[in-house]
This record gives sequence, structure tokens and C-alpha cells, in this order.
Amino acid sequence: AQTVTQSQPEMSVQEAETVTLSCTYDTSESDYYLFWYKQPPSRQMILVIRQEAYKQQNATENRFSVNFQKAAKSFSLKISDSQLGDAAMYFCAYSAPGAGSYQLTFGKGTKLSVIP
Amino acid sequence: GAGVSQTPSNKVTEKGKYVELRCDPISGHTALYWYRQSLGQGPEFLIYFQGTGAADDSGLPNDRFFAVRPEGSVSTLKIQRTERGDSAVYLCASSLQSISGANVLTFGAGSRLTVL
Repeated sequence: AQTVTQSQPEMSVQEAETVTLSCTYDTSESDYYLFWYKQPPSRQMILVIRQEAYKQQNATENRFSVNFQKAAKSFSLKISDSQLGDAAMYFCAYSAPGAGSYQLTFGKGTKLSVIP
Repeated sequence: GAGVSQTPSNKVTEKGKYVELRCDPISGHTALYWYRQSLGQGPEFLIYFQGTGAADDSGLPNDRFFAVRPEGSVSTLKIQRTERGDSAVYLCASSLQSISGANVLTFGAGSRLTVL
């Protein structure tokens, strides 16, 4: 079974600084998808960024980028120029292609605080 | 609708009671998912619908849990004989037809269930 591990229960960053959230996963698949979701206090999970394993290029979305290391099974999220609105729980998630691709496996999350 | 709507937002019930949680997905989204998020954990998959049928209910914890989607739109998650361990946030998500792991799920704000 696939597992997703987020080893940092809590992180904090100064406003305008950069922070990196860690995620590792375990899978025997060669092709799969990785995601970072943000969950503010409103509880709604919001997709931040997505990476397809067969693409070597790291995904970027504005201030958000990932460092995808397939051999190490590592998928970290970098947030640049942190803003107060970035404060939230961040969840790393995995899905496999084909049958069962609709099942997302989530990590336990990292709570990010942004200090003004 | 513009987003995924879940009702009620919060539900408090007594042990042994029956509860229903409703999910109204984005119009046109044929795939619908239920996840359960216990305190301090990431969401865990419960059930997936493609159209009216439950394509995969392998995540339902036991036979007290049941979900329906009779017309391929609104879905109801039903929990019989509630137990304190059922207390959690129940998240619903929808997407266009699930054909690969690259699906972008849109989540609702969840229903927080508290069993006293």
C-alpha cells in the first residue's frame, strides 16, 4: 500500500520569506501523481500544485514550486514570498494511475504559520 | 452550483442515532468522492461514485456506513447507530469523469460530525 509521510507537524515562516515543506512517499509504481493541498480554517481543501511522476521538470504555480526527487521518493513544496494568507494546513497527497486513480492517499499534514 | 456544497456544516448527535450528510457537487461533474478526516489526520478515502453507481466503496469502515447518489448528482452519506469514533469531518469532492490520476478534485467545506 502507498504511504505518504509529512515529518513536520508544524512550521513557521516570516512574512515575505521562503519556506519548504517536506513530503516523502512509498510506492512500487513507476507512474503516479503527487499533489499539495492547502486547508485553511474554512476546512475546504484547495489544490496548490500537481506533479506527474513521468515529468522530470518540477511543477511551479506562481509563488509555489516543488522539488520532485523521484529516486528518493521526495516531493517538497517551496513557498516563496510568504503571505499571511498562506497560513493553513498543507497536505501532500498521492494517486496512482489507472484503476484506483481516484483514491488520494494523504499525509497527516503540516500546519504553517506566517509571522507578520 | 459554483462549488461543492455540503450540509449540514456541523452536526451534533448522540451515540446510537442515525445521521445523513448531503453533498451537492459541481454541475456537470460526474465523479463524486467522500473522504473522512479525523482530528489531526489527513483525509481518508471512503467511497467513489461515477454517475449513479458506487464504483468503489472499499473505504467504508463497516456496514453502518452507506452512501447513495440516485440521480447522478446529489449524494447522501448515511451513518447508522453512530459511535463516538465516527466523530470527524466528512469531506465531499467532485470532478469531471475520472479517467486518470490527474483529476482535479474540487472539495466542499465538509460536514463536522460530533457524536456525544
